[in-house]
Amino acid sequence: NAGVTQTPKFRILKIGQSMTLQCTQDMNHNYMYWYRQDPGMGLKLIYYSVGAGITDKGEVPNGYNVSRSTTEDFPLRLELAAPSQTSVYFCASSYRQGGSYEQYFGPGTRLTVT
Amino acid sequence: QQQVKQSPQSLIVQKGGISIINCAYENTAFDYFPWYQQFPGKGPALLIAIRPDVSEKKEGRFTISFNKSAKQFSLHIMDSQPGDSATYFCAASEETSGSRLTFGEGTQLTVNP
Repeated sequence: NAGVTQTPKFRILKIGQSMTLQCTQDMNHNYMYWYRQDPGMGLKLIYYSVGAGITDKGEVPNGYNVSRSTTEDFPLRLELAAPSQTSVYFCASSYRQGGSYEQYFGPGTRLTVT
Repeated sequence: QQQVKQSPQSLIVQKGGISIINCAYENTAFDYFPWYQQFPGKGPALLIAIRPDVSEKKEGRFTISFNKSAKQFSLHIMDSQPGDSATYFCAASEETSGSRLTFGEGTQLTVNP
């Protein structure tokens, strides 16, 4: 079990470029999430998905898009990158167990937009 | 709107001491309160969690204390060790939101040897 994997680990983008952050989980979890982490700000939910074909906005969705065509994959698309999108991005997945949802996080992607 | 406020932002403790991190929430519908631990360069990982039907939960050196009337909960780390040095996040969720968590801002804990 690899858990949640993310690629790339690091990326530098120029303003206006676009890219896709990849996320894959091999635990057959229904729920998947994208967060961004900025210093002193905690984790902010960008988008989430409760199953293949279903996605919904989180707290900070502007400038991002997602898709969920399979249970395993949940890519995050950045269009027209801006310096405000410089951050560390975490993908997570979870399943329901006893009324709670433990989220399993990937190792993160550190993105710099210059 | 910040629904979960965490303090302090940073904490320095001597080895063997007690580390205490506090969180306060606003949404009375929250019914699940986990704490996550994050080491540098890694993703967060679940440490311990509590539901509001109990006032305390203990797992090894880690204890959550929960005060429903005050809408506060805290993490206590007994006999703190240098290996506990990490960033700790409190979080909360409600049944109607399904699996979505609202995180606090995080506390960077340093345990000096």
